[in-house]
Amino acid sequence: GQSLEQPSEVTAVEGAIVQINCTYQTSGFYGLSWYQQHDGGAPTFLSYNGLDGLEETGRFSSFLSRSDSYGYLLLQELQMKDSASYFCAVRDRPDSGGYQKVTFGTGTKLQVIP
Amino acid sequence: DSGVTQTPKHLITATGQRVTLRCSPRSGDLSVYWYQQSLDQGLQFLIQYYNGEERAKGNILERFSAQQFPDLHSELNLSSLELGDSALYFCASSVGELSGELFFGEGSRLTVL
Repeated sequence: GQSLEQPSEVTAVEGAIVQINCTYQTSGFYGLSWYQQHDGGAPTFLSYNGLDGLEETGRFSSFLSRSDSYGYLLLQELQMKDSASYFCAVRDRPDSGGYQKVTFGTGTKLQVIP
Repeated sequence: DSGVTQTPKHLITATGQRVTLRCSPRSGDLSVYWYQQSLDQGLQFLIQYYNGEERAKGNILERFSAQQFPDLHSELNLSSLELGDSALYFCASSVGELSGELFFGEGSRLTVL
């Protein structure tokens, strides 16, 4: 089967650093993406890791370890506007073959407090 | 603005009815994806098309169907609607089949009464 696990909620203080973890079980893994979604809004792409290591984009960084089936999103210098849901998403190919698809985790609701 | 256009933005209908949701991908994108998001839930993958052909299928109900037309726009048809079908339906697009970045539309909010 296929599964992605993320914490359901995280609370952090403005200006701090927060890490949102994602573990996955899947076959034919190709890459891990992260998306941000504000309440009532559309998901927006943050980062993609196809290879092991750290990808940095401004205040956001994402890490992947394929051997551990694990990744995380790191948000630095938190701002109030970072309060949103964050989803990890796996691109994989099912055991039975066929084409790749993109499956989303259940999301982590981040609340940034003053 | 992601460049992905979805219509209608809001739709209210009754159980048993049929609706069609429309999606226009970003200019140049060949892949279209459909996702369902129920209240406070994650994004459930429904189906993916690439250049007019179905590529991957998720947990899409038999009452639901979709297609991608030669001009690359896509439609998601939902029939025999039930209360549980009330959700936000997102369309996303990407340049290729293997892109790690999806661009999402603003969604179509369906309410079934």
